[in-house]
Amino acid sequence: SQELEQSPQSLIVQEGKNLTINCTSSKTLYGLYWYKQKYGEGLIFLMMLQKGGEEKSHEKITAKLDEKKQQSSLHITASQPSHAGIYLCGADRSGGATNKLIFGTGTLLAVQP
Amino acid sequence: DTGVSQNPRHKITKRGQNVTFRCDPISEHNRLYWYRQTLGQGPEFLTYFQNEAQLEKSRLLSDRFSAERPKGSFSTLEIQRTEQGDSAMYLCASSGTGRGGEAFFGQGTRLTVV
Repeated sequence: SQELEQSPQSLIVQEGKNLTINCTSSKTLYGLYWYKQKYGEGLIFLMMLQKGGEEKSHEKITAKLDEKKQQSSLHITASQPSHAGIYLCGADRSGGATNKLIFGTGTLLAVQP
Repeated sequence: DTGVSQNPRHKITKRGQNVTFRCDPISEHNRLYWYRQTLGQGPEFLTYFQNEAQLEKSRLLSDRFSAERPKGSFSTLEIQRTEQGDSAMYLCASSGTGRGGEAFFGQGTRLTVV
């Protein structure tokens, strides 16, 4: 099984709707990264969470880290077509010593106008 | 600085040929990572450099794969005697040595082995 499980695997929402993507780790989380990827392109850094209970926001995207549950969630408010893409969570297993990341399989988001 | 740069963006090669990819990291970053991503999967770690030293290699990195980072600047990833199973997106990322610093990715090189 995957060290990082993302749910859902894919998601189709109407423009303007809110949505949440979850990332659950089977091992201790030292740091959790969220990236966005357009098909066939590289990863765009969104946010990094390090401390339990930490919450960060950028524009309409908010990410939270629940260290005890070894989970992170990514919430998008009032989704837009520009939010469409693949969202990947990545876990740092090195305790911050490196940025070697283990990634989940991704969540494919489609936003219908 | 325009971020992490990878060349070429696309490479089609015949099975058995050798290929080499290049990654230019963000100039002040001394850590550099290579990942491989296949369709429908997240990136998988291949190897990692701190300056010119290759500090870790994944078991995914078979003997046909070699990575270098001379002078601690750009890096190259060479695949010898390519196989169809090598077809994937090869991603490079860089970061600073500060604890918990962000890792920034390049656009990737898509390899197709025919």
